[in-house]
Amino acid sequence: AQSVTQLGSHVSVSEGALVLLRCNYSSSVPPYLFWYVQYPNQGLQLLLKYTTGATLVKGINGFEAEFKKSETSFHLTKPSAHMSDAAEYFCAVSINDYKLSFGAGTTVTVRA
Amino acid sequence: DTGVSQDPRHKITKRGQNVTFRCDPISEHNRLYWYRQTLGQGPEFLTYFQNEAQLEKSRLLSDRFSAERPKGSFSTLEIQRTEQGDSAMYLCASSPRQGADADTQYFGPGTRLTVL
Repeated sequence: AQSVTQLGSHVSVSEGALVLLRCNYSSSVPPYLFWYVQYPNQGLQLLLKYTTGATLVKGINGFEAEFKKSETSFHLTKPSAHMSDAAEYFCAVSINDYKLSFGAGTTVTVRA
Repeated sequence: DTGVSQDPRHKITKRGQNVTFRCDPISEHNRLYWYRQTLGQGPEFLTYFQNEAQLEKSRLLSDRFSAERPKGSFSTLEIQRTEQGDSAMYLCASSPRQGADADTQYFGPGTRLTVL
């Protein structure tokens, strides 16, 4: 079985500051890892994913994440927050090709 | 590519009533998934179709829930004798069977169910 833990249910950052969202996973086999973003009353949009290969992956809207097997982590970062980054972010893991297991989510607020 | 669509977007019903939701996947995506998201939580897997075949059902999917995907195109999720605990956002996603995006699920906007 696989699972995801997102550290911090709420993160508040100033506009222009670094955004760091933490995700740790548990998996008995090499996982696929994903970050999704959800805006109010909308579905989930894929930000980025790691499957194999390069451990630093770049996604949309300036986000990137690094897969660290030794730390079982897949933290999401963005160097400079924008007001439009305010949303809920979900980390997810998959060990097969059909079922995603999501973390509880982290809500990001951006202060002007 | 118009994305995954779901209908209705919102549904309010009384306890004990039956409800049905529809999901139209991205055309040519032969895999379709249903998830449930309750307030403050991440989505939880409910079930998965490859073409018209339902290949896995979560233990969250009680006997009151049934999902179908006739002809391998759109899918319906029916909840019979709704309970207040069924109140949630029901999300549908689809993915292609092969190619670079085979491991990526594309989500619809969801159907928010409120059971009074």
